[in-house]
Amino acid sequence: GAGVSQSPSNKVTEKGKDVELRCDPISGHTALYWYRQSLGQGLEFLIYFQGNSAPDKSGLPSDRFSAERTGGSVSTLTIQRTQQEDSAVYLCASSLHSRGRTEQYFGPGTRLTVT
Amino acid sequence: AQKVTQAQTEISVVEKEDVTLDCVYETRDTTYYLFWYKQPPSGELVFLIRRNSFDEQNEISGRYSWNFQKSTSSFNFTITASQVVDSAVYFCALSTNFGNEKLTFGTGTRLTIIP
Repeated sequence: GAGVSQSPSNKVTEKGKDVELRCDPISGHTALYWYRQSLGQGLEFLIYFQGNSAPDKSGLPSDRFSAERTGGSVSTLTIQRTQQEDSAVYLCASSLHSRGRTEQYFGPGTRLTVT
Repeated sequence: AQKVTQAQTEISVVEKEDVTLDCVYETRDTTYYLFWYKQPPSGELVFLIRRNSFDEQNEISGRYSWNFQKSTSSFNFTITASQVVDSAVYFCALSTNFGNEKLTFGTGTRLTIIP
């Protein structure tokens, strides 16, 4: 079956512009996570969705970052007024979220470069 | 707070040698989950194994084996008879809250198998 997909795979944007990153989780997976991977910070948790609600946004680095999920499926991560320190690979993961089946499956990521 | 330490930043071994990747974790929770992920040069994180804190049985899957020891808070990963395709960055990760399995990752170990 299809895995987690993300788009775009690469995004180059100018400092100060807004960007939207999209994630399509594995069909039937109720939990969705966003992480980012950068050289200096490693792999960091950003936000977690259960269905369409986000009970944990504790990893979002600033109020320039927001995310939503609709229909219990697709999620969009938005970064407003991008800064150079936002450059990273943004990873999305989904999981079945049932007792005993908590492993997360990751998408290929979106590489964001802010110039 | 949770923490995962992978003290080995880089390891190089000659093909067919055995290699062990170390992982030490910290958590105050009595129920937690440990994971290993592989990130090959293509970049996509690949799930390898999940282990629950109440199951200390070691596991073997082909050339891969995992040694979970609660007494030393370690979850080490051994590759037997290594192959060039095993070259990748390997991440150990921890989650502690059923209902929000956000992952805390170690910094990763870059494994290079020399042909």
